[in-house]
Amino acid sequence: RKEVEQDPGPFNVPEGATVAFNCTYSNSASQSFFWYRQDCRKEPKLLMSVYSSGNEDGRFTAQLNRASQYISLLIRDSKLSDSATYLCVVNIYNFNKFYFGSGTKLNVKP
Amino acid sequence: DGGITQSPKYLFRKEGQNVTLSCEQNLNHDAMYWYRQDPGQGLRLIYYSQIVNDFQKGDIAEGYSVSREKKESFPLTVTSAQKNPTAFYLCASNGGGASNEQFFGPGTRLTVL
Repeated sequence: RKEVEQDPGPFNVPEGATVAFNCTYSNSASQSFFWYRQDCRKEPKLLMSVYSSGNEDGRFTAQLNRASQYISLLIRDSKLSDSATYLCVVNIYNFNKFYFGSGTKLNVKP
Repeated sequence: DGGITQSPKYLFRKEGQNVTLSCEQNLNHDAMYWYRQDPGQGLRLIYYSQIVNDFQKGDIAEGYSVSREKKESFPLTVTSAQKNPTAFYLCASNGGGASNEQFFGPGTRLTVL
């Protein structure tokens, strides 16, 4: 079983739509959680960290459910520039290793 | 500007040759990582190092080797023993602390001819 699982998509949505991605992780020892954005043929870049209380950054909202071991990312009012692959990442602190999901591809259409 | 640099950006190798990918960081981070990414897939951990002169195998270490002689540098050698080395290679570092995020270099795209 993979450490981190994501729906690969693609999610094809019109501009202005709201879209949600989910991610599940298998190791209950996971302690830090992140969403990264990766554009085609580029390196991943941090979109936001995910905290137990949930957090919001503009149009982006991240939630963590430790009991069910899943993480979510909500994007409101989608822009063309949001088109990318979104990677779910968890960190197991004791080993300082990071586990990446395979990514969810988002295509925002005009 | 602080960051991670990788070189070269593109690398072509003949079968049977060893090649070394460079990774340098000036973020003063202790931990450094090498990942491999294949088309349409996530990142897989090759090797990581928590401190100078120490490193551990990741999930797909066979056919690769690393060294960590300096805090700033973590070069990766792709040996001829690596059966399918064509991939996108990403180096990352992590400073720990409250944010604990990883920072990535721009990557090296290796193609075996």
